[in-house]
Amino acid sequence: AQSVTQLDSQVPVFEEAPVELRCNYSSSVSVYLFWYVQYPNQGLQLLLKYLSGSTLVKGINGFEAEFNKSQTSFHLRKPSVHISDTAEYFCAVKGAQKLVFGQGTRLTINP
Amino acid sequence: DSGVTQTPKHLITATGQRVTLRCSPRSGDLSVYWYQQSLDQGLQFLIQYYNGEERAKGNILERFSAQQFPDLHSELNLSSLELGDSALYFCASSPTSRGETQYFGPGTRLLVL
Repeated sequence: AQSVTQLDSQVPVFEEAPVELRCNYSSSVSVYLFWYVQYPNQGLQLLLKYLSGSTLVKGINGFEAEFNKSQTSFHLRKPSVHISDTAEYFCAVKGAQKLVFGQGTRLTINP
Repeated sequence: DSGVTQTPKHLITATGQRVTLRCSPRSGDLSVYWYQQSLDQGLQFLIQYYNGEERAKGNILERFSAQQFPDLHSELNLSSLELGDSALYFCASSPTSRGETQYFGPGTRLLVL
């Protein structure tokens, strides 16, 4: 079985500052890893995914994530955030079958 | 816009009632997934259909059932509703049965009073 832990439930940052949202996973098999974003009152939008290959994955809206197999981590980063990045971010892992989500990290951008 | 549509957007009903949520996948996608998002349980996988057949089951209650029709749209039926069933229900679709990439609909917000 797979599990995901998002280490921070809330992350407040100032506009134009860098941000890192942390995600650790647990799995006994090879997995695919994802980050989704949920803007207020909207559905989930795929930010980026790691299926195989390069461990540094670039996504939409300037986000990137690095897959670290030895540390079983998949942290999400952005070098400079904007007010529009205010949202809930979900890390997810997929093994053979289902997609398992973390509890989410609420990113709040302060002007 | 992911291309996945869900109806209705909002649903208010009473305990003990039955409701049906509908999902139309992206054009060409054969897999449909249902998820429940609640404050206490977070985002949980309920069930997957692929080309009309049930493929995987998650934490779906016996009071809940789903099906996928020949035109690939799917319905999630929730019966004997309880207050705790109040949640956001998402549908996602994927072109393959493995679901490496899933595209989510906007969700149906269910409130049970």
